[in-house]
Amino acid sequence: RKEVEQDPGPFNVPEGATVAFNCTYSNSASQSFFWYRQDCRKEPKLLMSVYSSGNEDGRFTAQLNRASQYISLLIRDSKLSDSATYLCVVNEGSNRDDKIIFGKGTRLHILP
Amino acid sequence: GAGVSQSPSNKVTEKGKDVELRCDPISGHTALYWYRQSLGQGLEFLIYFQGNSAPDKSGLPSDRFSAERTGGSVSTLTIQRTQQEDSAVYLCASSPLWGVGEQYFGPGTRLTVT
Repeated sequence: RKEVEQDPGPFNVPEGATVAFNCTYSNSASQSFFWYRQDCRKEPKLLMSVYSSGNEDGRFTAQLNRASQYISLLIRDSKLSDSATYLCVVNEGSNRDDKIIFGKGTRLHILP
Repeated sequence: GAGVSQSPSNKVTEKGKDVELRCDPISGHTALYWYRQSLGQGLEFLIYFQGNSAPDKSGLPSDRFSAERTGGSVSTLTIQRTQQEDSAVYLCASSPLWGVGEQYFGPGTRLTVT
């Protein structure tokens, strides 16, 4: 089983719709979780951290399910500018070491 | 403030030559990471630094790859005897603390080996 898995997509979603995608991780001891977005031919940019209690930032909601070992990202009222690849990031490291693993990303296309 | 910068932005080199890629992290950031990304592919972790030391070098693809960081700041990734399969975008990221995972990426160096 791969360490961090994402549905590669693409998800083709009409503007204004709600879209959600998940990311599963294999190491139950993983410490921290993040979502990044990457635009075509650009560097990844941190979108949001994922906390145990879940967190929301405007139209974006991230949740963590430790029991089932996945994190999710929900985008409400999607905009054309949300079109990007969304990368799930898991830090499996202990207190002394980082072991940061990027998923291969889910491509999202928002359709006008 | 200034973000992560990388140089050169583009590098074309002949097979067999050595190349050196540079990363200037955000000032004060303790952790520094190197990745590479081939066209249409995910990020491949190469190496990270806690201060000037690299606890885990297992991500480096071969012994032709090496990296160093001095003064807890600038890092260089060196590829010796480049091969065509080394062609990729090499991304550097820094983080205020290691063990956190919030990383800020530079724009990358696009390496093409002919």
